[in-house]
Amino acid sequence: DTGVSQNPRHKITKRGQNVTFRCDPISEHNRLYWYRQTLGQGPEFLTYFQNEAQLEKSRLLSDRFSAERPKGSFSTLEIQRTEQGDSAMYLCASSLESNNEKLFFGSGTQLSVL
Amino acid sequence: QKEVEQNSGPLSVPEGAIASLNCTYSDRGSQSFFWYRQYSGKSPELIMSIYSNGDKEDGRFTAQLNKASQYVSLLIRDSQPSDSATYLCAVSGGGFKTIFGAGTRLFVKA
Repeated sequence: DTGVSQNPRHKITKRGQNVTFRCDPISEHNRLYWYRQTLGQGPEFLTYFQNEAQLEKSRLLSDRFSAERPKGSFSTLEIQRTEQGDSAMYLCASSLESNNEKLFFGSGTQLSVL
Repeated sequence: QKEVEQNSGPLSVPEGAIASLNCTYSDRGSQSFFWYRQYSGKSPELIMSIYSNGDKEDGRFTAQLNKASQYVSLLIRDSQPSDSATYLCAVSGGGFKTIFGAGTRLFVKA
């Protein structure tokens, strides 16, 4: 097991296009999180899954954002009709339910919206 | 008021000195407290966790928690240039959402 894997590492898109990111968590981790980070800021919580159930979604998250975790394994984050303000690093993290919320992060997907 | 507050720095210390990083949080129901290290261009990496009042030591790192004052700190002894990074304080309220501060940039001068 090589840790949390995210694809792609970089994504450049034009405003108005849809983009989708993938996250493969550590295999035995049943909790999966999406965060967004911009320069000079800490990671901002977007959404959380326990197994396949999406249990919490940030109130700040636009309806353009949607996440899924079919079968409780990998997860996808889709952004529809991208805007320049969506440009950020999108981080995925996973944790084990019994491990007191210790998060293990992937390398992230850097999104640039032109 | 931000939920987790940190001084953005940069904090500059000479090699071999003690670096002291501080964090305050607003939710009195918070139960789990973490320090993550983030090198430039990399993702955050967990270095310390603390759950009860007092000190917790791990190698050159000591985390300190004071729930009454809603204060968390991280001490790095014998600081090395390789410790130069952004240190993120993170707090979890016993639910499933971990809130991060904006981070403190640490620079250790050789």
